[in-house]
Order: sequence, then C-alpha cells, then structure tokens
Amino acid sequence: QVQLQESGPGLVKPSETLSLTCTVSGGSITGHYWNWIRQPPGQGLEWIGYFYFAGTTNYNPSLKSRVTISADTSKNQFSLKLSSVTAADTAVYYCARGIVGAMFFDYWGQGKLVAVSS
Amino acid sequence: SYVLTQPPSVSVAPGQTARITCGGNNSGSKSVHWYQQRPGQAPALVIHNDNDRPSGIPERFSGSNSANTATLTISRVEAGDEADYYCQVWDSTSDHWVFGGGTKLTVL
Repeated sequence: QVQLQESGPGLVKPSETLSLTCTVSGGSITGHYWNWIRQPPGQGLEWIGYFYFAGTTNYNPSLKSRVTISADTSKNQFSLKLSSVTAADTAVYYCARGIVGAMFFDYWGQGKLVAVSS
Repeated sequence: SYVLTQPPSVSVAPGQTARITCGGNNSGSKSVHWYQQRPGQAPALVIHNDNDRPSGIPERFSGSNSANTATLTISRVEAGDEADYYCQVWDSTSDHWVFGGGTKLTVL
C-alpha cells in the first residue's frame, strides 16, 4: 500500500518561500507522476504541478513563475517550493500520485495546512 | 486552458438518486475521474476513466461521459455520501491536470 506524507512549516511569512516535502512509502517514486495540489480554506482543489520520474516537470500557468517541484530518489521524496508567498497562498497542500496513462490521482497525502502570515 | 464546470450544490433525500454533472468542451473525448472529499479529509477516488470503480467503492457509484458532459450518479444515497465531489481530467494539449470547481452533495 502506497502512502504519502507531507511535512514542512505550517506558517510562512509574506514574501518568503514555502517549502514542503512529500515522503513516499510502500512504493518507489521512480515511476508515475508526483503532484502537488492545494485547497484554500472553503474552496476547491487547484493542481500546482508535477514531477515525472524521468526528470520532467510541468506547472499550473497561474503559479509557474513561482513554483519549483523536485525529487530526491535516494530518499523517495519529492518537494515543493513556492516563492514570494502572500495570504492568497494560505491553503491545505496535498501531495498525490498520478497514474501514467490513465492520468488520475490514486494515492493522496493527508494534507498540510500552511498559513501565510506575519 | 481547459475548464470543467460543476454545479455548486446538489441536494437529495436518502434512498434517492443523486446526479452530479461536470461540463467541459468535448469532455466525451477525454477520460473523466471523480473524487469524494469528506470534511477534514483528503480527496479519495471514487470513479476513474469515466465509469470504473476502484476496489472498495460501492456499486451505487457510477459514471458516464458523452459529448460535453460527464455525470457522477450515486444510487440509493446514504447519509455517509454527504461530501464534496470533484471531477478531473488531464488536458493533453497543455499536459495540465484540471479539476472542476466541486459540488457539495447534501443528503436531506
């Protein structure tokens, strides 16, 4: 059974960089798409971007200028960095596995609430 | 960019059938997936590839997709089905993953 767990600071100051890590257990990240998805309080889901095990990435155009997703295969982890954050970036951040070919998310982390505030 | 449109809310009495729509340009040519999100929980896949159920999902959940609309159908609705439901596709043109805005299902 694949499990994902987000970790990182729950509070980030405005203009700083939000950094989260997703640790994957029960399966290797050398396969499939490894995604970040966020959900502002009371709102819907927003896809942020993915890291593909072959080394490629792709990002939501609305966030592309501020987002970097990378992976450490030796630790079976992948990470999100979102720069120049504002209060609008306050959200629950989820990591999720995307299935190659079928292109849906089959495993999700429990979510990490990150608040942007001074 | 590709847009999926869902009604904000759907209400249904217990035992009745709930239908949640997801509109998108020529969605019938894409695979549509559906997630259930209960309060305080992460989303969970309930339907993939238009009408396939992951193991553990009751047969009461089904899906369809034709022309410009995909539909999630929940038969014999139970109180435990009350949740937010999101549709999702992968847009091959942009290689982006897209969610609908979500629909809150209320069981009366």
